[in-house]
Amino acid sequence: AQKVTQAQTEISVVEKEDVTLDCVYETRDTTYYLFWYKQPPSGELVFLIRRNSFDEQNEISGRYSWNFQKSTSSFNFTITASQVVDSAVYFCALSEKNTGNQFYFGTGTSLTVIP
Amino acid sequence: DTAVSQTPKYLVTQMGNDKSIKCEQNLGHDTMYWYKQDSKKFLKIMFSYNNKELIINETVPNRFSPKSPDKAHLNLHINSLELGDSAVYFCASSQAGVGELFFGEGSRLTVL
Repeated sequence: AQKVTQAQTEISVVEKEDVTLDCVYETRDTTYYLFWYKQPPSGELVFLIRRNSFDEQNEISGRYSWNFQKSTSSFNFTITASQVVDSAVYFCALSEKNTGNQFYFGTGTSLTVIP
Repeated sequence: DTAVSQTPKYLVTQMGNDKSIKCEQNLGHDTMYWYKQDSKKFLKIMFSYNNKELIINETVPNRFSPKSPDKAHLNLHINSLELGDSAVYFCASSQAGVGELFFGEGSRLTVL
């Protein structure tokens, strides 16, 4: 079973639109971490955020915000006023304490921001 | 200073050859990983080492052999390369139980 599901394979938005990338995870562990990574066309994997299972506060960093809801096992990522530089593949990931902190990655969402 | 560095960045080789990719991290992390990213961008864990000890060994052909001479290095050797081995290979490190993965820049392997 897929532990991290990113149902949106590809999304296209016009510049300045807001966009939300969905992430649903599955775990029985009570201690776990959730992550988002960005992979721009240049290919490197850039860490964006880490959240632990005990902290459900939403987080905002500039145009980026994250909504963590344990009730729905979701950790969604919203980009406000999207820009062309936001075009990338975005990965959601889960790390569980009980599996030695092995990382499970979603299949990624490819975001294209059209100028 | 690059936190996780891997070399070479590009590898083009013929089927049947043997090649190695080196990885080094200067973050003091105790866990290192190799991931394979295929053309569809799927990130698949291959191996994980914690303090030089193999802790994750996913279903990977035994032509792939990781070696960790110390906790700052994790090299990947591939024997008898096949066309399907063409991919980007990422090295990563983390502090177990604490933090995020730090990735190297990736090594793009093309097998002709």
